[in-house]
Amino acid sequence: EAGVVQSPRYKIIEKKQPVAFWCNPISGHNTLYWYLQNLGQGPELLIRYENEEAVDDSQLPKDRFSAERLKGVDSTLKIQPAELGDSAVYLCASSLDREYNEQFFGPGTRLTVL
Amino acid sequence: AQSVTQPDIHITVSEGASLELRCNYSYGATPYLFWYVQSPGQGLQLLLKYFSGDTLVQGIKGFEAEFKRSQSSFNLRKPSVHWSDAAEYFCAVGGNGNKLVFGAGTILRVKS
Repeated sequence: EAGVVQSPRYKIIEKKQPVAFWCNPISGHNTLYWYLQNLGQGPELLIRYENEEAVDDSQLPKDRFSAERLKGVDSTLKIQPAELGDSAVYLCASSLDREYNEQFFGPGTRLTVL
Repeated sequence: AQSVTQPDIHITVSEGASLELRCNYSYGATPYLFWYVQSPGQGLQLLLKYFSGDTLVQGIKGFEAEFKRSQSSFNLRKPSVHWSDAAEYFCAVGGNGNKLVFGAGTILRVKS
């Protein structure tokens, strides 16, 4: 069974540029999560989807961040415009349902903003 | 508000020695507790989880953890560490329908 797939694995951009990250969850997993992981810290939830509905986006900085999961499968997280402080690892995870029985994580996208 | 404290930023143990990583949590109801491991450049892998029942839970790779409600702790243990266990370990707390909150992590170094 394929795991959570994320791309790209690494991205380097200039500040003020846009950037997008893509995630394909494990087949059949209804719940999808995007996390932000700063250096030396644990992951922090940005947004959680139940199928195509964003059910928890309270931590998503909506002035520059957006996300979508149009068909309830794969998802895209976008930053526009990027700032220096956005340099971090962006992790995607999925689970069968919302009860946190087990979240499976992708390898992450390491973003560097110059 | 829920929170997790991992008091040790770094721990170094000799190969073959026992290991205990500490985790203290704050949660207003019955917690769901998790330990994840992250190798450099990799995503997080679940080691074990506690939802209810037996307070000593067994996980993968020979790890176990004990839930102590009175101490709000969920410490991770392994009787004999292998060099391949060197990684960063995260404790997390959540609940039914609530988000998962992670600790800041403990970096484990293994001396040969």
